[in-house]
Amino acid sequence: NAGVTQTPKFQVLKTGQSMTLQCAQDMNHEYMSWYRQDPGMGLRLIHYSVGAGITDQGEVPNGYNVSRSTTEDFPLRLLSAAPSQTSVYFCASSLRQGAYNEQFFGPGTRLTVL
Amino acid sequence: EDQVTQSPEALRLQEGESSSLNCSYTVSGLRGLFWYRQDPGKGPEFLFTLYSAGEEKEKERLKATLTKKESFLHITAPKPEDSATYLCAVQGESVDYKLSFGAGTTVTVRA
Repeated sequence: NAGVTQTPKFQVLKTGQSMTLQCAQDMNHEYMSWYRQDPGMGLRLIHYSVGAGITDQGEVPNGYNVSRSTTEDFPLRLLSAAPSQTSVYFCASSLRQGAYNEQFFGPGTRLTVL
Repeated sequence: EDQVTQSPEALRLQEGESSSLNCSYTVSGLRGLFWYRQDPGKGPEFLFTLYSAGEEKEKERLKATLTKKESFLHITAPKPEDSATYLCAVQGESVDYKLSFGAGTTVTVRA
């Protein structure tokens, strides 16, 4: 199993550009989520999905869109990048939602918006 | 709103020098408290889940304990390979099952 994979590893954007961060898992996990990590702060939940076709907003959803057409993939879209979106983005997955299910994190995407 | 505070922010240890990391939390209905290890440039790696006060879990040189207000991660006789940032997170009763993370404690173990 590859676990949770993310691409790209690094990305630089100009303000106003759009892009998609890719996330895939091969563990047949129902629950997937996106977090951002900023210096001096804990990881914060952006969006999550409890299964294919079902997505919902987390703590900091503004400026981001998600979709979940398959169990395996959960891309994160930045519609019009802003410098405030400079961060490290992590995708995570677990078999189901709930504390009894360990969440596995991907290696992250480091995004810089100029 | 769920809140997690970790202390200290950074900890420098000599190899073999045991110490403890603190995670204080406030949460409405604790589903679980999680400890993760994060190496530079990598994603968090799961260590433990604790569910109720009084619970303890161990893994090699690490031992996690839980009370109703805080959790401790004890590192016994650390080695340089234990150098990492240790993250604490709680999952409360929110419908999104989100993990609320602390900012982490960066541990450096010198040989």
